[in-house]
This record gives sequence, C-alpha cells and structure tokens, in this order.
Amino acid sequence: GAGVSQSPSNKVTEKGKDVELRCDPISGHTALYWYRQSLGQGLEFLIYFQGNSAPDKSGLPSDRFSAERTGGSVSTLTIQRTQQEDSAVYLCASSPRGARNTEAFFGQGTRLTVV
Amino acid sequence: GENVEQHPSTLSVQEGDSAVIKCTYSDSASNYFPWYKQELGKRPQLIIDIRSNVGEKKDQRIAVTLNKTAKHFSLHITETQPEDSAVYFCAADAGGTSYGKLTFGQGTILTVHP
Repeated sequence: GAGVSQSPSNKVTEKGKDVELRCDPISGHTALYWYRQSLGQGLEFLIYFQGNSAPDKSGLPSDRFSAERTGGSVSTLTIQRTQQEDSAVYLCASSPRGARNTEAFFGQGTRLTVV
Repeated sequence: GENVEQHPSTLSVQEGDSAVIKCTYSDSASNYFPWYKQELGKRPQLIIDIRSNVGEKKDQRIAVTLNKTAKHFSLHITETQPEDSAVYFCAADAGGTSYGKLTFGQGTILTVHP
C-alpha cells in the first residue's frame, strides 16, 4: 500500500471486552510506533518497535495493554478488559530503516469507543 | 526519558499575522526535531523538520529555529492564512537504546481568523 493502514477505522465495544487494533506499516519501514490521542489532547506515546530490538513499552498505561509485531511488519495492539477511559483514537506510525532523523508517517487511526 | 513541553496550548491570530510556537526538550542526545500539522479529523502530517547540525530551516512561509544549548526549538509561520488553522505538534527523537523514538509535545491549537 501507499501509506500506513489501520483497521478497523472505528470500533465500539462494551466495557470489559477485549479489542485488537491492527497496523500495516509502509513496506520496508523497520520502525513502528503506537500513540493514543484522547479528544482534544496530544499524542501519548504507547510503544515503539525498532527493527529486531526489544520494543520500548514504557508508554503502555497498564498491563491490560500489549502489542506485538510479527515478522517485522504488521503490528497488533491489544487492550484487554476495556474501560471507558480507554476511549480514544489510536494512531500507528512507521518510519524507514529505523534510523534517526527520518519522518514518521501516520495511519488514519482507529477510533475506539468503550460503552 | 525524553520530555517535550510545548507552548502555547492555544493561539489565535488574524489572517496575515505571524504565529510562533515554542518547544523545549530534555534529552541532550536528541538530534531530530519534526513539526506535524493535524487538521480536524485527519492524521498528523509532517510540515517541516530540523536536525541538530543546523540552527534554522525555512520552507516558504514556515521556518523552524533550534537552540541546542538551551534545548528549545520554535515554529514560525508568517503571513498566516485560514487554512493554517489546525493543531501543531512538535517532537524530539531519542538517543540510547530507544534511538529514533519520537516524543511529542502536547499540541497547539492555532486559529487564524479571516
């Protein structure tokens, strides 16, 4: 694809259910980021994958959140036992070669609503 | 870890005026500083970036300045237009084991009044 693709675009789930959010980065990009954006708020860092290195998970807000990246490409962010405060737009971004000084390209985001 | 502070949180200007947004960062190993623009309901997109080997970069009506000693950088928009209205985010990358990781400021809502 031409850009970073995220699915689903919108997700409504009941409190207590688990959800999986998917990110397809730009082909060949080795760095992948997940951010969370609550209504009218900034970009909150969640997790960062850099090539074959151990991911930086320092932004995950609780142990209900986890993410994996299979084969260095597609990433899945999983939220277990969702809470209403998890409602936000979840943005994925990728950058080429994992090097510094390179632009991060964002997907269109997944809007998660927990009811 | 890196901490990026951005000010102001909101900025309102008249069309044709200039707008300035300022950011500070904490990690002295940071050497890449991008600025993103996010229009309502859309994804953030890069508008300009600067690397630590230069102090200023300009692209038409947009310029960014960097002061590595003071650990701050600024976005300058001249001759503002209504279509410049958006949320602007600064960011700084990380060194060390998480090199390349981008930490964003809290964002500035810019409103340009016709």
